[in-house]
Amino acid sequence: DVKVTQSSRYLVKRTGEKVFLECVQDMDHENMFWYRQDPGLGLRLIYFSYDVKMKEKGDIPEGYSVSREKKERFSLILESASTNQTSMYLCASSLLTSGGADTQYFGPGTRLTVL
Amino acid sequence: AQSVTQLDSQVPVFEEAPVELRCNYSSSVSVYLFWYVQYPNQGLQLLLKYLSGSTLVKGINGFEAEFNKSQTSFHLRKPSVHISDTAEYFCAVRLFQGGSEKLVFGKGTKLTVNP
Repeated sequence: DVKVTQSSRYLVKRTGEKVFLECVQDMDHENMFWYRQDPGLGLRLIYFSYDVKMKEKGDIPEGYSVSREKKERFSLILESASTNQTSMYLCASSLLTSGGADTQYFGPGTRLTVL
Repeated sequence: AQSVTQLDSQVPVFEEAPVELRCNYSSSVSVYLFWYVQYPNQGLQLLLKYLSGSTLVKGINGFEAEFNKSQTSFHLRKPSVHISDTAEYFCAVRLFQGGSEKLVFGKGTKLTVNP
């Protein structure tokens, strides 16, 4: 079974803090993704990566950065957390195929609260 | 441009009743379509996907969906729901943008199955 793990299920941080969210997958997937999920807005893509050290902006990258130093690990960084970044953060991974039909496998999510 | 519209944000039903969750997409190219389910306090998992071939796709837990190209729809159905089907359901379409591929998700439909 594919397993995607996220470092924390719940996290509480203060405004202005630097926040790291870690994601690890164990199936040698090339693609990794970070989404945020908010009620009534569904999932919105923040950043994705299709290879080590490669990254692409998603739909809402402002206020976030990412790091992919190893194939299995994809980190989301909030340089200076703000209250409007309070949300559920979901990590996903998938195989890289030319057809783009591969399933994305999701982690359990990190619920971040910024006070 | 490609987008996904889930027409109902909430769908309440009684146990053992049939259910249909609606999804429409807009796309000018061939599509790959997906339905994901999110149970309370969990990440998303794939229910089913349409890539090509038969327009009726069967998934896990007794769900099925029908791809209708003329109506640009991919509605999810189950003939008899259980309490355990209470979850949020997301429709998604593959999108190619800037040479890379991503999934675009709808805003989700919360299915509540009542006894």
